[in-house]
Amino acid sequence: DAKTTQPTSMDCAEGRAANLPCNHSTISGNEYVYWYRQIHSQGPQYIIHGLKNNETNEMASLIITEDRKSSTLILPHATLRDTAVYYCIVRANTGGFKTIFGAGTRLFVKA
Amino acid sequence: SAVISQKPSRDICQRGTSLTIQCQVDSQVTMMFWYRQQPGQSLTLIATANQGSEATYESGFVIDKFPISRPNLTFSTLTVSNMSPEDSSIYLCSVSGGTEAFFGQGTRLTVV
Repeated sequence: DAKTTQPTSMDCAEGRAANLPCNHSTISGNEYVYWYRQIHSQGPQYIIHGLKNNETNEMASLIITEDRKSSTLILPHATLRDTAVYYCIVRANTGGFKTIFGAGTRLFVKA
Repeated sequence: SAVISQKPSRDICQRGTSLTIQCQVDSQVTMMFWYRQQPGQSLTLIATANQGSEATYESGFVIDKFPISRPNLTFSTLTVSNMSPEDSSIYLCSVSGGTEAFFGQGTRLTVV
């Protein structure tokens, strides 16, 4: 079973920040939080990952709570092209790690 | 990063037939993964394929239905056998590279 809980869907206005929450209350000490997204008819795309510190890259920011039981993916200035399903995944980072997907959040960015 | 090519990108097949999907990676990787994505659903892991050994299947998937080959470190095939309309899905190949997973664009299969 997936180890994460996400809202089924969310809306965001174009140009505004999109904040996508994820609960992972059973995360283990060696598991990282990963975010992927899947734009319609494409394979999943890696966005960002983190262990316990907040992370930022050119695509997004990842905020992980101090107890690591939840996190938020932030798209700072959402565009129409960010409309996609966003998957929050917890996974160890060593060995032949499998990526197990939950249901994800369907983000609609509206003009 | 890794670039993954899948063939075919889509196909329409008759029930009772089999289809073999190819996955080619531009670098050597230890493990390759096959996923199924049914219409409107998330991705479900079918199996993990290591070079030189039998694939490891997830619960609900069996080798007779989804035989996998892994002849070298850059290539794998997944066969969907004795197809029925319920097998209509997108099938995706994935590899682990460093700390990320990379995915192909998928094979859209329709069984009629």
